[in-house]
Amino acid sequence: AQKVTQAQTEISVVEKEDVTLDCVYETRDTTYYLFWYKQPPSGELVFLIRRNSFDEQNEISGRYSWNFQKSTSSFNFTITASQVVDSAVYFCALGSARQLTFGSGTQLTVLP
Amino acid sequence: DSGVTQTPKHLITATGQRVTLRCSPRSGDLSVYWYQQSLDQGLQFLIQYYNGEERAKGNILERFSAQQFPDLHSELNLSSLELGDSALYFCASSVQETNYGYTFGSGTRLTVV
Repeated sequence: AQKVTQAQTEISVVEKEDVTLDCVYETRDTTYYLFWYKQPPSGELVFLIRRNSFDEQNEISGRYSWNFQKSTSSFNFTITASQVVDSAVYFCALGSARQLTFGSGTQLTVLP
Repeated sequence: DSGVTQTPKHLITATGQRVTLRCSPRSGDLSVYWYQQSLDQGLQFLIQYYNGEERAKGNILERFSAQQFPDLHSELNLSSLELGDSALYFCASSVQETNYGYTFGSGTRLTVV
């Protein structure tokens, strides 16, 4: 069975602080993908990143960066210099061939 | 705009009723996936169709059914609705039958009263 754990239910930071969202996953598959999605208050699911199980390179996109460590089954997401507009629920997900298994999400609130 | 269109955006109905949610995939996508996001269960995979045929089933109740039509749009039918069916229902689509990741529509918010 596949499982994604986001232990942080809620995080609150002050604007310009860096924040890291944790994600730990469980799977027996050798080939899988990991994802992060953002769900702003409007409700839609916004795709942020996809990483396959064979690529452990960290990735940086603007203020966003991702740290994938297969040895610890973790795929953490860091926002640098957070902004109020980053306030949202962030979901980590584990992808098999046909479906995504989502974590329970982390509510991030960035205060001005 | 993700290219995946879901209608209606909001739906309010009474317990015991039946509703139909509609999804039009992105142009060229053959696979459609349905997900339910509820307060109790979080985001859960319901079902996948590829080119008109059911391909995978998740935690979909027997009161729920889906189909994909020749024009590739899909409908999710929810019957004998209960209060606990109140949720945000997402549709997603992808080109391939098996695909690691896909694009979500903006969702249909169902409220059962």
